[in-house]
Amino acid sequence: GENVEQHPSTLSVQEGDSAVIKCTYSDSASNYFPWYKQELGKGPQLIIDIRSNVGEKKDQRIAVTLNKTAKHFSLHITETQPEDSAVYFCAASLANQAGTALIFGKGTTLSVSS
Amino acid sequence: GAVVSQHPSRVICKSGTSVKIECRSLDFQATTMFWYRQFPKQSLMLMATSNEGSKATYEQGVEKDKFLINHASLTLSTLTVTSAHPEDSSFYICSATRGGNYGYTFGSGTRLTVV
Repeated sequence: GENVEQHPSTLSVQEGDSAVIKCTYSDSASNYFPWYKQELGKGPQLIIDIRSNVGEKKDQRIAVTLNKTAKHFSLHITETQPEDSAVYFCAASLANQAGTALIFGKGTTLSVSS
Repeated sequence: GAVVSQHPSRVICKSGTSVKIECRSLDFQATTMFWYRQFPKQSLMLMATSNEGSKATYEQGVEKDKFLINHASLTLSTLTVTSAHPEDSSFYICSATRGGNYGYTFGSGTRLTVV
């Protein structure tokens, strides 16, 4: 089955700096790679996703890149703000195969200090 | 669109009792629903996958007789934790998808505390 590795486990940055979180996956058939932000006591919230037919996707301060050959994908947050502080999870799945679940990385705790 | 409602958000139960958690897709029909468990400072671990009208598929190490999953309609799945013990205390999260390119929508989670 799919296995997702995520690094780093913790990341501290100053407000305005960029933050990068990296993930690798094991199943070359996986084709859907979302990133979630989770605040304490809440369910995960989708912040951006990318499918395997695209190499990069951007939404304002957030971008995701995908390297299918190397089986890794990364989340980039620019101009970080204190409200970006949260736990971020990457995930992978074979999305258009019915019944396939998302498999999550172990998470990255991002702390943005002002 | 694509909203999943999960209830209750918090529940405290006595050891040995059972508790039911509901997961509803409010504005779409979910072909598949998933249940995850999350312990403090850990990731979401998949417990089971359920398709409407069929038996759930449990991940290795998850006791199917302890965690009963019912997916009776395309908008509702329930997870019942039977004979709960303190070690079952955790954050339980459901997710639903309608397949294809629609992605996955998550509920807000249920904090279960067994005393």
